[in-house]
Amino acid sequence: EAGVTQFPSHSVIEKGQTVTLRCDPISGHDNLYWYRRVMGKEIKFLLHFVKESKQDESGMPNNRFLAERTGGTYSTLKVQPAELEDSGVYFCASNKQGGFTEAFFGQGTRLTVV
Amino acid sequence: QKEVEQDPGPLSVPEGAIVSLNCTYSNSAFQYFMWYRQYSRKGPELLMYTYSSGNKEDGRFTAQVDKSSKYISLFIRDSQPSDSATYLCAMFSTGGGNKLTFGTGTQLKVEL
Repeated sequence: EAGVTQFPSHSVIEKGQTVTLRCDPISGHDNLYWYRRVMGKEIKFLLHFVKESKQDESGMPNNRFLAERTGGTYSTLKVQPAELEDSGVYFCASNKQGGFTEAFFGQGTRLTVV
Repeated sequence: QKEVEQDPGPLSVPEGAIVSLNCTYSNSAFQYFMWYRQYSRKGPELLMYTYSSGNKEDGRFTAQVDKSSKYISLFIRDSQPSDSATYLCAMFSTGGGNKLTFGTGTQLKVEL
């Protein structure tokens, strides 16, 4: 069974550009989460989807970030326009039911804004 | 003040040593206490978790939770070079939504 897959693994963009990150959860997992780690800080929650609905987006830093999960399968996280402080590693995780005891993380997308 | 505090290390130990990793937290509502291992350029991988207070053992790994002190520990016995990684503590409460709160992670190196 394939794990949580994230694309791209690394992205370098200029300040002001747009970047779209993608996450493919494990098949059948209704819950999908985005987390982010900026340099020197802890991994922090961004948002949580249940199927195609946003269950909790309290961690989204500002309106430059837009997450979607059309059809309840894969998810995208778009940053527009990107700022220097958006640099970090963006992780996606998924699980079938609530709680993190059965959740799996992807390998992350390393975003560098220059 | 961070909700979860974790010494970032780095921690270097000889092969075969017992390793002790720790976190403290401030939110008494946390119920589940997780330990993740993260290798370089990889995502966090769940090692083990504990619900509420107590101990849990899985092979060479033992997790302890002391809710009265808001202190959790992970012990690694007979450490191996393959244990070299960053170890992250994380926790959540069912009433707080499915949001993990992480520590910053402790970088561990086990040397031959």
